[in-house]
Amino acid sequence: KQEVTQIPAALSVPEGENLVLNCSFTDSAIYNLQWFRQDPGKGLTSLLLIQSSQREQTSGRLNASLDKSSGRSTLYIAASQPGDSATYLCAVEGYNFNKFYFGSGTKLNVKP
Amino acid sequence: ETGVTQTPRHLVMGMTNKKSLKCEQHLGHNAMYWYKQSAKKPLELMFVYSLEERVENNSVPSRFSPECPNSSHLFLHLHTLQPEDSALYLCASSPTLAGGLEGTDTQYFGPGTRLTVL
Repeated sequence: KQEVTQIPAALSVPEGENLVLNCSFTDSAIYNLQWFRQDPGKGLTSLLLIQSSQREQTSGRLNASLDKSSGRSTLYIAASQPGDSATYLCAVEGYNFNKFYFGSGTKLNVKP
Repeated sequence: ETGVTQTPRHLVMGMTNKKSLKCEQHLGHNAMYWYKQSAKKPLELMFVYSLEERVENNSVPSRFSPECPNSSHLFLHLHTLQPEDSALYLCASSPTLAGGLEGTDTQYFGPGTRLTVL
C-alpha cells in the first residue's frame, strides 16, 4: 500500500526566508502528485499538480519538484510571508484509479 | 471560493441520531469524492462517484451511506455513529474521474463539515 510521509510535521520561520517542504512516497507507480494548502477551518486548495512525466511545476513563489524514481517531492517557497502560514499537504494518485494518498501535512508558521 | 459548497459547516450529533451531510458543486464536474480528515492523521478517501455511479468504497463502515442523485450533488448519510467518527469531512470534485495517462485533473475541495459525535 502506498504511504506518503511529510517532513517536517511543523515549521516556524521568520518572514522573508526561503523554505523547503518535503514529501516522500513508497510506490513510484503514480499518475501525479499534488501539493495542497489548508487553512484552519477551511477545505483544501490545490497549489500545484505535477504529472508523472514532469519534473517540476512553478506558480509564483512556489516551485514543486518530483523525482518519481526516488519517491520524493519538494515544495519550495521563496520569500515567505505571514500569509503563507497554513498546513501544506502532499498527495499522490496511484494507478488503481482514484486511489489518492495524502501525507499528514506540514504546518507552517511564518512569523512577521 | 472553490465552487464546492458543503452544509452544514458544523454538526454535533448523538450516537443514535441520523443526519446527512450535503455537498454541491457548481463547476460542471463529473466526479465527486468524500474524504475524512481526523486529527493528526492523513486525509482518507471514503467514496468516489463518477457520473452518479459509485466507483470506489474504501472499506468504509456501513454507518456511512453516500448518495449521489445527480452530478452536482453528493450526500453522506450518517446513522449510529461512534465518537471516533468525529472528524472533518471534506467533499471534492474533479472534471473527470481523475487518473489515466495524462493525470491532469486536479480536485477542488469544499470547506468541509466539522462533525462531533457525542
